[in-house]
Amino acid sequence: DQQVKQNSPSLSVQEGRISILNCDYTNSMFDYFLWYKKYPAEGPTFLISISSIKDKNEDGRFTVFLNKSAKHLSLHIVPSQPGDSAVYFCAARRIYGGSQGNLIFGKGTKLSVKP
Amino acid sequence: GAGVSQSPRYKVAKRGQDVALRCDPISGHVSLFWYQQALGQGPEFLTYFQNEAQLDKSGLPSDRFFAERPEGSVSTLKIQRTQQEDSAVYLCASSFGAGAGYTFGSGTRLTVV
Repeated sequence: DQQVKQNSPSLSVQEGRISILNCDYTNSMFDYFLWYKKYPAEGPTFLISISSIKDKNEDGRFTVFLNKSAKHLSLHIVPSQPGDSAVYFCAARRIYGGSQGNLIFGKGTKLSVKP
Repeated sequence: GAGVSQSPRYKVAKRGQDVALRCDPISGHVSLFWYQQALGQGPEFLTYFQNEAQLDKSGLPSDRFFAERPEGSVSTLKIQRTQQEDSAVYLCASSFGAGAGYTFGSGTRLTVV
């Protein structure tokens, strides 16, 4: 049973436009959410995160929005650049049970930004 | 080192063979995690160390999987009697603390034939 879901396997946008990547979760015990970016043959690279007590976090071109009531978060990239083309993973951290630092990942969304 | 280093980058094993995958975390990082990423999936948690103590091994899929970090730095993930379903990329990540940001290595791609 997937606790973190990224329902869009792929997304294609034009350079300069906004990219919106979505993520849904089922476990209300998650206290921290993260986005990772992954290029082929490399490990995931941390992009941006948000605590469950906030609804928005911004870092340059990247903004993450959290809607706790809907158990939904999204990553906005504005403006999108060709170098943003990669697979984006949404991840959530569990508060209780097992390792506090353990991350649960979605399946990823492949973003293609076309020049 | 500057980043998390994993070796080998690629490993082809015959079914039934034992393999050992190595992870060199960032110096001083207390927490170390192993993840398994199958094709088309997100990384899935395997096990977690805090220094030399293995605090969580709930993600290890079977008793053929074993991980150790005897001196609290380098870690080895061992898979005994490999099966085809073990084929995946094995990622190692380290962090200064359990709640801090993770740095991932580039992974070891294991192919069992």
